[in-house]
Amino acid sequence: DVKVTQSSRYLVKRTGEKVFLECVQDMDHENMFWYRQDPGLGLRLIYFSYDVKMKEKGDIPEGYSVSREKKERFSLILESASTNQTSMYLCASSLVGVNTEAFFGQGTRLTVV
Amino acid sequence: AQSVAQPEDQVNVAEGNPLTVKCTYSVSGNPYLFWYVQYPNRGLQFLLKYITGDNLVKGSYGFEAEFNKSQTSFHLKKPSALVSDSALYFCAVSRYSSASKIIFGSGTRLSIRP
Repeated sequence: DVKVTQSSRYLVKRTGEKVFLECVQDMDHENMFWYRQDPGLGLRLIYFSYDVKMKEKGDIPEGYSVSREKKERFSLILESASTNQTSMYLCASSLVGVNTEAFFGQGTRLTVV
Repeated sequence: AQSVAQPEDQVNVAEGNPLTVKCTYSVSGNPYLFWYVQYPNRGLQFLLKYITGDNLVKGSYGFEAEFNKSQTSFHLKKPSALVSDSALYFCAVSRYSSASKIIFGSGTRLSIRP
């Protein structure tokens, strides 16, 4: 069974903290994605990676960075957490190609206080 | 720019009745369209996709979707709704640049009443 695993389901952090969200996939997928989900806004792409050490900005990259040192792992970093980054964060992976579906992790609900 | 729109925030249907969740898209070139479902406190699950060929695509859990090029729509349908179909549904389009990026609509909450 295919699997995308996010390290935490729920996370509470303080304003100004550096926050790491980890994601691991076991499907040998080239593409990995970080999305943010907010009510009424759907899923918005933060960053995606199409290979190890390769990344591209999505639609809302400000305040975030990513790291992909190994093919199976994709990390999202909040350099200095702010309350407007309180959200549900979803990691996904897929094979290369425009017609391939994405597989999602269970999500991390991050609250910044 | 490529985009996808879901015009209804919520759809309410009685159990046993047919259901439709609407999606329209705007892309240049051939569209690659997807439907995903999200159950409470879960990640998204893939339901079905349109790549090319038959305009009626069948997917998981008895769902199907109809691709209409002239209306640029990709509506999700099911002949007979179940209470367990209640969830959040997302339409998505694949946007091609240096690698595939999947762009999602805002989501439609489907509520099936017994």
